[in-house]
Amino acid sequence: EVQLVESGGGLLQPGGSLRLSCAASGFTFSSYNVNWVRQAPGKGLEWVSFISSSSSIIYYADSVKGRFTISRDNAKNSLYLQMNSLRDEDTAVYYCARASDFDIWGQGTMVTVSS
Amino acid sequence: QAVLTQPSSLSASPGASASLTCTLRSGINVDTYRIYWYQQKPGSPPQYLLRYKSDSDKQQGSGVPSRFSGSKDASANAGILLISGLQSEDEADYYCMIWHSNAVVFGGGTKLTVL
Repeated sequence: EVQLVESGGGLLQPGGSLRLSCAASGFTFSSYNVNWVRQAPGKGLEWVSFISSSSSIIYYADSVKGRFTISRDNAKNSLYLQMNSLRDEDTAVYYCARASDFDIWGQGTMVTVSS
Repeated sequence: QAVLTQPSSLSASPGASASLTCTLRSGINVDTYRIYWYQQKPGSPPQYLLRYKSDSDKQQGSGVPSRFSGSKDASANAGILLISGLQSEDEADYYCMIWHSNAVVFGGGTKLTVL
């Protein structure tokens, strides 16, 4: 079964750091671009970041540029999102999504930033 | 002005058709973009429905019924998701998306009510 499973979410204070992971299975992870997308409670979808299959191309949304870092380990079939200097407005469910089509999504992991 | 604008809500009757629009900001020509569509039900991640650029450049998501289809209205500079033969299970939030200037943009979403 083609699957993406996020982990690493939690509750933390503003200014804190967190690393999210996304484990891929059921397909050749190294052949696909992947993305992070977030959704604040009761709100719409917001794209966060993109990384190409070989990590040679990386894009970020302006709202996270300079604070978040996307990376991947194709040997471990895993995608990561290092989040630093977290703000209240980063509170959201974070999804990983496969390919430029976003054709497969994980179930998401909740990140809550609150004092 | 937002890059992509979707009506916040739409209601339609079972068995009828629903046309969901995604209007591109003035100056961004819909003809040059692939428009992606996603369905999201409460408590679940988004699911890929289809992408549409033209009749020769389109793709249906895996397992997505043919009653979901894409098109464009060039005069309105908009992408359209047409759902025919509406069923109660089609009640959901629908998001459009484009790739624009090395970034991904989602529309604000349309809540479709089937009643």
